[in-house]
Amino acid sequence: SQTIHQWPATLVQPVGSPLSLECTVEGTSNPNLYWYRQAAGRGLQLLFYSIGIDQISSEVPQNLSASRPQDRQFILSSKKLLLSDSGFYLCAWARGLQETQYFGPGTRLLVL
Amino acid sequence: KQEVTQIPAALSVPEGENLVLNCSFTDSAIYNLQWFRQDPGKGLTSLLLIQSSQREQTSGRLNASLDKSSGRSTLYIAASQPGDSATYLCAVRRVDSNYQLIWGAGTKLIIKP
Repeated sequence: SQTIHQWPATLVQPVGSPLSLECTVEGTSNPNLYWYRQAAGRGLQLLFYSIGIDQISSEVPQNLSASRPQDRQFILSSKKLLLSDSGFYLCAWARGLQETQYFGPGTRLLVL
Repeated sequence: KQEVTQIPAALSVPEGENLVLNCSFTDSAIYNLQWFRQDPGKGLTSLLLIQSSQREQTSGRLNASLDKSSGRSTLYIAASQPGDSATYLCAVRRVDSNYQLIWGAGTKLIIKP
């Protein structure tokens, strides 16, 4: 069976510090991978998605970036965090663009 | 531009009641619609997926309907239990833009014992 992991679970970072959130998927190959941000009381916002190891699409202009160093690993990064980057970050995988997405447990980020 | 709205934002009902959660969307050109459940501080779990050609899907005590022409979906929960307490999110999948999901803000459901 497939599992998806995210770490860390919780992170408190000062403004201006760097960020690295990691997502890994087990039990499948060549998954589509997604990064979402969820703000309180709002729907999920798609940040990045990747259909292959060298194919990453950015959906929202921001100071965040994504990388996929391995087939089943998706990294969300920032060089300098802003207060507005606080939120709940969710990683998801799917077998295809039209397929159901399966979500990780999330990372809660607080920027102070 | 597709927009998804879920009303009410929060709902509290006694255990055992049947209830309906609502989801509306502005553009009827959708590929499918999904309902998800999110427990506090956790990730999302897919509950039901309705293809654009379907009218409803059922899983246990859950029944989701889709009326594409009116831009509406409902999630019916029968005989509610305290374990059903969670936030329920609706998402529609676009037919363009690489089949992105467009999300509602969710309905927070509390089932009182």
